[in-house]
Amino acid sequence: EDQVTQSPEALRLQEGESSSLNCSYTVSGLRGLFWYRQDPGKGPEFLFTLYSAGEEKEKERLKATLTKKESFLHITAPKPEDSATYLCAVFGSGNTGKLIFGQGTTLQVKP
Amino acid sequence: DGGITQSPKYLFRKEGQNVTLSCEQNLNHDAMYWYRQDPGQGLRLIYYSQIVNDFQKGDIAEGYSVSREKKESFPLTVTSAQKNPTAFYLCASNSPWAGSTGANVLTFGAGSRLTVL
Repeated sequence: EDQVTQSPEALRLQEGESSSLNCSYTVSGLRGLFWYRQDPGKGPEFLFTLYSAGEEKEKERLKATLTKKESFLHITAPKPEDSATYLCAVFGSGNTGKLIFGQGTTLQVKP
Repeated sequence: DGGITQSPKYLFRKEGQNVTLSCEQNLNHDAMYWYRQDPGQGLRLIYYSQIVNDFQKGDIAEGYSVSREKKESFPLTVTSAQKNPTAFYLCASNSPWAGSTGANVLTFGAGSRLTVL
Protein backbone atom coordinates (compact mmCIF):
# COMPACT_ATOMS: atom_id res chain seq x y z
CA GLU A 1 0.00 0.00 0.00
CA ASP A 2 1.28 3.44 -0.94
CA GLN A 3 2.16 5.56 2.08
CA VAL A 4 3.58 8.99 2.90
CA THR A 5 4.97 10.00 6.31
CA GLN A 6 6.12 13.52 7.15
CA SER A 7 8.35 14.56 10.03
CA PRO A 8 8.42 16.40 12.27
CA GLU A 9 4.73 17.12 12.84
CA ALA A 10 5.59 20.62 14.06
CA LEU A 11 8.74 22.73 13.86
CA ARG A 12 9.55 26.03 15.53
CA LEU A 13 12.46 28.07 14.20
CA GLN A 14 13.94 31.45 14.90
CA GLU A 15 14.12 33.80 11.94
CA GLY A 16 17.27 32.94 10.01
CA GLU A 17 17.62 29.45 11.50
CA SER A 18 17.82 26.99 8.58
CA SER A 19 16.30 23.50 8.80
CA SER A 20 14.78 20.66 6.78
CA LEU A 21 11.41 18.92 6.61
CA ASN A 22 11.27 15.23 5.75
CA CYS A 23 8.84 13.26 3.60
CA SER A 24 9.31 9.48 3.54
CA TYR A 25 7.32 7.49 1.02
CA THR A 26 6.61 3.99 -0.21
CA VAL A 27 4.95 3.83 -3.59
CA SER A 28 4.93 1.45 -6.51
CA GLY A 29 6.30 3.27 -9.52
CA LEU A 30 6.75 6.89 -8.45
CA ARG A 31 5.38 9.23 -11.08
CA GLY A 32 5.71 12.42 -9.09
CA LEU A 33 6.29 13.81 -5.61
CA PHE A 34 4.62 17.11 -4.79
CA TRP A 35 5.20 19.75 -2.14
CA TYR A 36 2.42 22.16 -1.21
CA ARG A 37 2.22 25.06 1.22
CA GLN A 38 -1.04 25.60 3.15
CA ASP A 39 -1.90 28.69 5.18
CA PRO A 40 -4.54 28.39 7.95
CA GLY A 41 -8.08 28.23 6.57
CA LYS A 42 -6.92 28.19 2.94
CA GLY A 43 -6.37 25.64 0.21
CA PRO A 44 -2.91 24.18 -0.49
CA GLU A 45 -0.68 26.13 -2.85
CA PHE A 46 1.65 24.24 -5.19
CA LEU A 47 5.40 24.57 -4.61
CA PHE A 48 7.32 21.83 -6.42
CA THR A 49 7.07 18.58 -8.35
CA LEU A 50 9.96 16.12 -8.34
CA TYR A 51 9.98 13.15 -10.68
CA SER A 52 13.19 11.18 -10.23
CA ALA A 53 15.86 10.50 -7.59
CA GLY A 54 18.58 13.12 -7.60
CA GLU A 55 16.31 15.89 -8.83
CA GLU A 56 16.36 19.24 -7.01
CA LYS A 57 14.22 22.36 -7.35
CA GLU A 58 14.51 25.77 -5.71
CA LYS A 59 12.21 28.70 -5.08
CA GLU A 60 13.39 31.64 -3.01
CA ARG A 61 14.38 30.23 0.42
CA LEU A 62 13.01 26.74 -0.34
CA LYS A 63 14.84 23.82 -1.93
CA ALA A 64 13.30 20.39 -2.52
CA THR A 65 15.33 17.24 -3.07
CA LEU A 66 14.38 13.65 -3.86
CA THR A 67 15.88 10.21 -3.21
CA LYS A 68 14.37 6.79 -3.86
CA LYS A 69 12.84 6.71 -0.38
CA GLU A 70 12.38 10.29 0.77
CA SER A 71 12.22 13.95 -0.06
CA PHE A 72 13.52 16.91 1.90
CA LEU A 73 12.29 20.47 1.89
CA HIS A 74 15.20 22.64 2.97
CA ILE A 75 14.40 26.10 4.30
CA THR A 76 17.33 28.50 4.29
CA ALA A 77 17.27 31.57 6.54
CA PRO A 78 13.49 31.43 7.02
CA LYS A 79 11.35 34.48 7.62
CA PRO A 80 8.10 34.73 9.63
CA GLU A 81 6.12 34.73 6.38
CA ASP A 82 7.35 31.18 5.73
CA SER A 83 5.17 30.02 8.63
CA ALA A 84 2.62 27.54 7.23
CA THR A 85 1.83 23.85 6.97
CA TYR A 86 3.87 22.06 4.32
CA LEU A 87 2.25 19.04 2.68
CA CYS A 88 3.96 16.26 0.75
CA ALA A 89 2.10 14.00 -1.68
CA VAL A 90 2.99 11.21 -4.10
CA PHE A 91 1.49 9.92 -7.30
CA GLY A 92 2.28 6.33 -8.17
CA SER A 93 1.65 4.13 -11.15
CA GLY A 94 -0.91 2.10 -9.21
CA ASN A 95 -2.89 5.06 -7.89
CA THR A 96 -5.20 5.50 -10.89
CA GLY A 97 -4.92 9.26 -10.72
CA LYS A 98 -4.99 9.71 -6.94
CA LEU A 99 -2.48 11.68 -4.91
CA ILE A 100 -1.54 10.21 -1.52
CA PHE A 101 -0.86 12.93 1.07
CA GLY A 102 1.22 12.96 4.22
CA GLN A 103 -0.18 14.55 7.38
CA GLY A 104 1.91 17.70 6.97
CA THR A 105 4.54 19.62 8.94
CA THR A 106 3.45 22.85 10.60
CA LEU A 107 6.29 25.37 10.57
CA GLN A 108 6.38 28.42 12.82
CA VAL A 109 9.13 30.99 12.31
CA LYS A 110 9.54 33.51 15.11
CA PRO A 111 11.04 36.95 14.52
CA ASP B 1 -8.17 34.63 -13.71
CA GLY B 2 -8.49 30.87 -13.90
CA GLY B 3 -9.13 28.99 -10.73
CA ILE B 4 -11.44 26.94 -8.53
CA THR B 5 -14.31 28.51 -6.62
CA GLN B 6 -15.75 26.75 -3.61
CA SER B 7 -18.88 27.89 -1.81
CA PRO B 8 -19.94 28.47 0.82
CA LYS B 9 -16.76 29.15 2.77
CA TYR B 10 -18.52 28.34 6.06
CA LEU B 11 -21.52 26.06 6.51
CA PHE B 12 -23.43 24.86 9.53
CA ARG B 13 -25.50 21.70 9.52
CA LYS B 14 -28.05 20.37 11.94
CA GLU B 15 -28.27 16.70 12.73
CA GLY B 16 -30.13 14.78 10.02
CA GLN B 17 -29.68 17.40 7.31
CA ASN B 18 -28.08 16.96 3.92
CA VAL B 19 -25.86 19.81 2.72
CA THR B 20 -24.25 20.45 -0.65
CA LEU B 21 -20.86 22.06 -1.21
CA SER B 22 -20.28 23.74 -4.55
CA CYS B 23 -17.10 23.50 -6.63
CA GLU B 24 -16.67 25.28 -9.95
CA GLN B 25 -13.50 25.49 -12.07
CA ASN B 26 -12.65 27.51 -15.18
CA LEU B 27 -9.28 25.86 -15.84
CA ASN B 28 -10.65 23.49 -18.49
CA HIS B 29 -9.43 20.57 -16.38
CA ASP B 30 -10.91 17.14 -17.03
CA ALA B 31 -10.40 15.68 -13.56
CA MET B 32 -11.88 16.96 -10.30
CA TYR B 33 -11.48 15.78 -6.73
CA TRP B 34 -12.94 16.21 -3.24
CA TYR B 35 -10.72 15.90 -0.18
CA ARG B 36 -11.49 16.06 3.50
CA GLN B 37 -8.98 17.55 5.96
CA ASP B 38 -9.09 17.00 9.72
CA PRO B 39 -6.63 18.50 12.24
CA GLY B 40 -3.38 16.53 12.37
CA GLN B 41 -4.34 14.34 9.43
CA GLY B 42 -3.42 14.42 5.80
CA LEU B 43 -5.90 15.08 3.04
CA ARG B 44 -8.18 12.11 2.49
CA LEU B 45 -9.85 11.51 -0.86
CA ILE B 46 -13.65 11.33 -0.84
CA TYR B 47 -14.58 11.12 -4.54
CA TYR B 48 -12.96 11.91 -7.84
CA SER B 49 -14.08 12.28 -11.44
CA GLN B 50 -11.88 12.03 -14.50
CA ILE B 51 -14.59 12.73 -17.05
CA VAL B 52 -18.11 14.13 -17.21
CA ASN B 53 -20.85 11.76 -16.07
CA ASP B 54 -18.36 9.43 -14.41
CA PHE B 55 -16.89 9.38 -10.89
CA GLN B 56 -15.19 6.96 -8.52
CA LYS B 57 -15.17 6.49 -4.77
CA GLY B 58 -12.09 7.52 -2.89
CA ASP B 59 -10.91 6.22 0.47
CA ILE B 60 -13.73 7.69 2.61
CA ALA B 61 -16.81 7.89 0.34
CA GLU B 62 -19.36 6.58 2.85
CA GLY B 63 -21.95 9.23 3.71
CA TYR B 64 -21.09 11.41 0.71
CA SER B 65 -22.42 11.70 -2.85
CA VAL B 66 -21.33 13.60 -5.95
CA SER B 67 -22.41 14.36 -9.49
CA ARG B 68 -20.51 15.47 -12.59
CA GLU B 69 -23.03 16.74 -15.12
CA LYS B 70 -20.76 19.49 -16.45
CA LYS B 71 -17.00 19.63 -16.92
CA GLU B 72 -16.79 22.77 -14.80
CA SER B 73 -18.80 21.59 -11.80
CA PHE B 74 -18.40 18.85 -9.19
CA PRO B 75 -20.75 19.38 -6.21
CA LEU B 76 -20.40 17.30 -3.05
CA THR B 77 -23.39 16.37 -0.90
CA VAL B 78 -22.75 15.48 2.72
CA THR B 79 -25.65 13.27 3.71
CA SER B 80 -27.13 12.52 7.11
CA ALA B 81 -25.43 9.12 6.88
CA GLN B 82 -22.05 10.80 7.43
CA LYS B 83 -21.69 10.51 11.21
CA ASN B 84 -18.79 12.89 11.72
CA PRO B 85 -19.01 15.53 8.98
CA THR B 86 -17.33 18.44 10.79
CA ALA B 87 -14.21 19.08 8.71
CA PHE B 88 -12.52 21.30 6.14
CA TYR B 89 -13.43 20.24 2.59
CA LEU B 90 -11.17 20.90 -0.36
CA CYS B 91 -11.98 20.66 -4.05
CA ALA B 92 -9.19 20.26 -6.59
CA SER B 93 -8.72 19.71 -10.31
CA ASN B 94 -6.07 18.80 -12.86
CA SER B 95 -5.60 17.60 -16.38
CA PRO B 96 -5.48 13.81 -16.59
CA TRP B 97 -2.23 11.92 -16.55
CA ALA B 98 -0.56 12.42 -19.90
CA GLY B 99 2.89 11.50 -21.11
CA SER B 100 5.71 9.67 -19.40
CA THR B 101 7.38 12.56 -17.63
CA GLY B 102 5.06 12.90 -14.67
CA ALA B 103 1.66 13.75 -13.28
CA ASN B 104 0.00 17.09 -13.67
CA VAL B 105 -0.31 19.36 -10.69
CA LEU B 106 -3.48 19.56 -8.60
CA THR B 107 -4.95 23.04 -8.21
CA PHE B 108 -7.00 23.54 -5.06
CA GLY B 109 -9.89 25.77 -4.14
CA ALA B 110 -9.95 27.84 -0.95
CA GLY B 111 -11.97 25.26 0.96
CA SER B 112 -15.31 25.01 2.74
CA ARG B 113 -15.55 24.52 6.49
CA LEU B 114 -18.55 22.46 7.61
CA THR B 115 -19.62 22.42 11.24
CA VAL B 116 -22.34 20.23 12.70
CA LEU B 117 -24.43 21.94 15.35
